[in-house]
Amino acid sequence: DTEVTQTPKHLVMGMTNKKSLKCEQHMGHRAMYWYKQKAKKPPELMFVYSYEKLSINESVPSRFSPECPNSSLLNLHLHALQPEDSALYLCASSQGPREFYEQYFGPGTRLTVT
Amino acid sequence: AQTVTQSQPEMSVQEAETVTLSCTYDTSESNYYLFWYKQPPSRQMILVIRQEAYKQQNATENRFSVNFQKAAKSFSLKISDSQLGDTAMYFCAFMRSGGPGGGADGLTFGKGTHLIIQP
Repeated sequence: DTEVTQTPKHLVMGMTNKKSLKCEQHMGHRAMYWYKQKAKKPPELMFVYSYEKLSINESVPSRFSPECPNSSLLNLHLHALQPEDSALYLCASSQGPREFYEQYFGPGTRLTVT
Repeated sequence: AQTVTQSQPEMSVQEAETVTLSCTYDTSESNYYLFWYKQPPSRQMILVIRQEAYKQQNATENRFSVNFQKAAKSFSLKISDSQLGDTAMYFCAFMRSGGPGGGADGLTFGKGTHLIIQP
């Protein structure tokens, strides 16, 4: 099973709402990632978790709060977002952080902030 | 910091033709990996091929092959016998070998090349 799942597929939220994006993998991968992709642009790295610990935060605004409750699950908590945060949010995982393994991507959550 | 440049925003070829997508990168790292990812209209990112920088032999996966020129920092993708299903955005990506504290590192993507295969 080489699948990364993301829920929901689509999310519309107001600027005062609090919502969460969920990412799950059952491949035993120990590194997980969040990327943000604006329309017609490449993905941009937001966060990296290695062995359930946050190892990289690419200076992401605090209105985005990542969480890795266990090795299979990665959440992205959203609060007080701006319309410019509307984008496709991609989750990825890789088998191990210290050895080279390719990143497997989920299908993404399309977020619209109104 | 590293940068990845894809100079062809869009390419169009006929089915069954061979097409080459170009990618150059800039880095001061000595150990790294290079990838080509495909993103069809469904938006799912799919790994096409990967290359370890320490390997001189060019990677090949069925109809897909790369021309890796380390000194020139060039990493082009050749698609042979192109098929309608190859229509997608193709991203060249770079990853350091090991992130902060020995952890994982993220991918740095080029801007992409939109490849259209015409019937």
